[in-house]
Amino acid sequence: QKEVEQDPGPLSVPEGAIVSLNCTYSNSAFQYFMWYRQYSRKGPELLMYTYSSGNKEDGRFTAQVDKSSKYISLFIRDSQPSDSATYLCAMSAMNYGQNFVFGPGTRLSVLP
Amino acid sequence: NAGVTQTPKFQVLKTGQSMTLQCAQDMNHNSMYWYRQDPGMGLRLIYYSASEGTTDKGEVPNGYNVSRLNKREFSLRLESAAPSQTSVYFCASSEALRGTEAFFGQGTRLTVV
Repeated sequence: QKEVEQDPGPLSVPEGAIVSLNCTYSNSAFQYFMWYRQYSRKGPELLMYTYSSGNKEDGRFTAQVDKSSKYISLFIRDSQPSDSATYLCAMSAMNYGQNFVFGPGTRLSVLP
Repeated sequence: NAGVTQTPKFQVLKTGQSMTLQCAQDMNHNSMYWYRQDPGMGLRLIYYSASEGTTDKGEVPNGYNVSRLNKREFSLRLESAAPSQTSVYFCASSEALRGTEAFFGQGTRLTVV
């Protein structure tokens, strides 16, 4: 079992839809959770950074962490064609491993 | 604020040639990383530097060497390039090795023929 699992997609939605992107993980030591957006032929861009369980909102984006279920989500409201990208989750722990563990990414297409 | 800058953006090498990928960050971060990204494989850590003066192997270090030249700069060297090293290489930095988010450069697209 991989440490971090993520549905690779591709996921296609119509413009204006609510998108839910999810990651599951196996190591309960993870405390810090990140979501990155990666456009084609570009570097990953940090979208959200959260610590421990709970929700964090930034504009149309909401990150949700459920440590008891080892499950994190990124919600995109009122999705736009410009949201079409690959979304990577990442996580880290203070006392485990070298640094970050990344999910394989979910490719999202928002259709006009 | 440039963030993390990588050079070059594209490179084609012949098998056996050597080259150095350069990375510089202007965020005063302590930790820096080199990743490669291949289709279906995600991001894989090649080497990292927890702080100036230290470097350590990541998941896929074979065929690579690194130098943390100073706090800002972290270079990746391919001594004898192989077709298996065709990939997109990303440099990243973070304030600390753990507990802080990472910021990425725009990548170097390397093809070895």
